[in-house]
Amino acid sequence: SQTIHQWPATLVQPVGSPLSLECTVEGTSNPNLYWYRQAAGRGLQLLFYSVGIGQISSEVPQNLSASRPQDRQFILSSKKLLLSDSGFYLCAWSQTGLLDYNSPLHFGNGTRLTVT
Amino acid sequence: AQSVAQPEDQVNVAEGNPLTVKCTYSVSGNPYLFWYVQYPNRGLQFLLKYITGDNLVKGSYGFEAEFNKSQTSFHLKKPSALVSDSALYFCAVRDVDDSNYQLIWGAGTKLIIKP
Repeated sequence: SQTIHQWPATLVQPVGSPLSLECTVEGTSNPNLYWYRQAAGRGLQLLFYSVGIGQISSEVPQNLSASRPQDRQFILSSKKLLLSDSGFYLCAWSQTGLLDYNSPLHFGNGTRLTVT
Repeated sequence: AQSVAQPEDQVNVAEGNPLTVKCTYSVSGNPYLFWYVQYPNRGLQFLLKYITGDNLVKGSYGFEAEFNKSQTSFHLKKPSALVSDSALYFCAVRDVDDSNYQLIWGAGTKLIIKP
């Protein structure tokens, strides 16, 4: 069965410090990968998605970047955090190919980031 | 513009009573519809989806949802609520006819089941 791992679970970082959040998926190959941010415990904002190694699409211009160095690894980064980067970050994967459209997303347990 | 509306910010139901969480959508093409549940400080879990066929779809934990094309709705239902159903529920839609197939998310509805 497929599993998704996301770490760390919580993170407190000062303004101006760098960020690296990691997400890995097991039990599937060539998944679509996603980074979402959830602010104030409600709405989901798609930040980045990737359909393959080295292929990153950015949905919202911001202080963050994403990379996919391996097929099942997705990394969210920042060189200098802002206060507004605080939030709950969720990684997700979905199947590719003909099942793209009807494939649900499968989420990790999230990282609670607090920028102080 | 494509959108999903969850008109109720919060729904309160007594344990054992039926529950409904409302969702309406707007897409230009054909919709694929999804429901997810989120427990505190956790990721979202997939509950059920409508792709085609029977308008009533059944999912995890005894939940079901009814697709109504004329009303562009996809309400989530459960015949008898449990306290453990208390969580945040999200509706999402994907426009099959849109080459950008990203999910459009509702704002979420907090479901509170009282003992």
